[in-house]
Amino acid sequence: QLRLQESGPGLVKPSETLSLTCTVSGDSINRTNDYWGWIRQPPGKGLEWIGSIHYTGTTYYSPSLKSRVTISVDTSKNQFSLSLSSVTAADTAVYYCAENYYYMAVWGKGTTVTVSS
Amino acid sequence: EIEMTQSPVTLSVSPGGRATLSCRASQSVNRNSAWYQQKPGQAPRLLFYGASIRATGIPGRFSASGSGTEFTLTISSLQSEDSAIYYCQQYDNWPPYTFGQGTKLEIK
Repeated sequence: QLRLQESGPGLVKPSETLSLTCTVSGDSINRTNDYWGWIRQPPGKGLEWIGSIHYTGTTYYSPSLKSRVTISVDTSKNQFSLSLSSVTAADTAVYYCAENYYYMAVWGKGTTVTVSS
Repeated sequence: EIEMTQSPVTLSVSPGGRATLSCRASQSVNRNSAWYQQKPGQAPRLLFYGASIRATGIPGRFSASGSGTEFTLTISSLQSEDSAIYYCQQYDNWPPYTFGQGTKLEIK
């Protein structure tokens, strides 16, 4: 059974870089047809897609976040990671990773990241 | 960017009743849409993809339909456990994938 688990700091200072990792278990991240995505949800608000990556390294990013986002993959560890630079309070959210075959088939439980000094 | 608009914002239905949730796309997304259920404190769960294909483990009292710009999620024989926020998503024209703002379903 495919499972995803987010990890990383729960508190990030303004202007710094948010870094999260998603560990995939139950199957290989080297799945030809799948991408692996990051989605976030600010407190009390809806879902926002951040970006996705294929195990080959091909990435797609949301145009609204593209200048600040980098998603990378480490196939040896069955992990993929999110970096979001120059964060502000508006980046405070629950961050989810997901198996992304166009739709988000399997989700991690999410991790809360607060941007505050 | 395709905008997904859901209605109503909040829906209150009695147990055993039927709920009909709507999602409208700002331009045609063919049948490339999905529905998710999110309960408080939990991650979203995929309900449907391809507009009407039920995901694994989703009960038969959940159904979905639509194409183009209009999509519907119907839940019959409502149970208290169906209380949640429901989101639609399009994946026809991306990036970005876009979600609706959600419909909160209350069972009471």
